[in-house]
Amino acid sequence: DQQVKQNSPSLSVQEGRISILNCDYTNSMFDYFLWYKKYPAEGPTFLISISSIKDKNEDGRFTVFLNKSAKHLSLHIVPSQPGDSAVYFCAANPGSGGYNKLIFGAGTRLAVHP
Amino acid sequence: DADVTQTPRNRITKTGKRIMLECSQTKGHDRMYWYRQDPGLGLRLIYYSFDVKDINKGEISDGYSVSRQAQAKFSLSLESAIPNQTALYFCATSSSGRTGELFFGEGSRLTVL
Repeated sequence: DQQVKQNSPSLSVQEGRISILNCDYTNSMFDYFLWYKKYPAEGPTFLISISSIKDKNEDGRFTVFLNKSAKHLSLHIVPSQPGDSAVYFCAANPGSGGYNKLIFGAGTRLAVHP
Repeated sequence: DADVTQTPRNRITKTGKRIMLECSQTKGHDRMYWYRQDPGLGLRLIYYSFDVKDINKGEISDGYSVSRQAQAKFSLSLESAIPNQTALYFCATSSSGRTGELFFGEGSRLTVL
């Protein structure tokens, strides 16, 4: 059973508009949540994270919101740019024993078109 | 140069062959990981290691083995490759920070015929 779910395989957004990527999780003990971005033929790169004790974290055009009661987090990109077109992975860190054994969702492919 | 380097980047092999994927890092991190990416499944953890004396199985370790030859080197082996091991494999490293940020290599695409 998947502990981290990204139910939308793809999202298409117009340049300049907001992109909202969603993620649901099942384990209320997760310590941190992270978003990764992946371009073709490259490894995933870290984008932004949020502690389980926070409900919002912002970094430039990227904001992550955490709703613990709903076990839901979302990544907002404003304004969206063509260079944001990539696959976005949501990940959760159980925080067990000092190992960062991240649990990943299946990913959402974002396409930002002019 | 990449901080986390994987070799080979692409490999095609036949069922039953032994394959080794290698990973080296210059980030000075003690924690290293191997993940596998499949379409629709995201990235799944195969093995992870805290240091050269510490090897741990992840979610999907069956059919794989690893070796931590040095702090900077972590290799993944498929003793007898099978077609459902066709996937994109990523090596990653991390420090001891609580957020869990992983630093990934560029990936090794393996095709088993």
